[in-house]
Amino acid sequence: QSALTQPPSASGSPGQSVTISCTGTSSDVGGYNYVSWYQQHPGKAPKLMIYEVIKRPSGVPDRFSGSKSANTASLTVSGLQAEDEADYYCSSYAGSNGVLFGGGTKLTVL
Amino acid sequence: QVRLQESGPGLVKPSETLSLTCTVSGGSISGHYWSWIRQPPGKGLEWIGFVSYSGSMSYNPSLKSRVTISVDTSKNQFSLKLSSVTAADTAVYSCAGSPNYNLIAYWGQGTLVTVSS
Repeated sequence: QSALTQPPSASGSPGQSVTISCTGTSSDVGGYNYVSWYQQHPGKAPKLMIYEVIKRPSGVPDRFSGSKSANTASLTVSGLQAEDEADYYCSSYAGSNGVLFGGGTKLTVL
Repeated sequence: QVRLQESGPGLVKPSETLSLTCTVSGGSISGHYWSWIRQPPGKGLEWIGFVSYSGSMSYNPSLKSRVTISVDTSKNQFSLKLSSVTAADTAVYSCAGSPNYNLIAYWGQGTLVTVSS
């Protein structure tokens, strides 16, 4: 059971857009529309930002959006703000293997 | 608003069993899926497993032989037991929950468990 693949880092200037990818297989990301994205600030609990690929929980700004193509899901943060600087983790339901997380991406706002 | 609080020993000896409890407040344990997730220091998240309010469960295949997650609806708590621990099991352990099995809506703050003699 391998973790989903995320780039270790991403960055952008305030106001810009940045996209973080999350690559799995047809047994997880590609096989289900059950990809979630979590934001984690240092020392804090993760926060659900996107679920079921494209859905935003109440209270999450619409600057955050999700998408998926084949075995790769993506999180796009538009109009970057300083408070968006955090670690971002993707996860996917993986059937009999339960739930997989990505290795995490550190987003830096320049 | 659902709140989760982990409790249990912060230090466990190698080969012993790690035991943690999560107390759910602000909502019923029924109708939800309850998970344990861990994060080794400086590393990413690892899903340990979940149990449903009805008792069905799913575990990380790499940990399955050592993990038990159970629910006590009378106390609004759920628990984690991880046997035969080694230093590689040192991590922040977080309890979590959701109305659906495919996402995590609520997270506890996490508790650091160190495996050392």
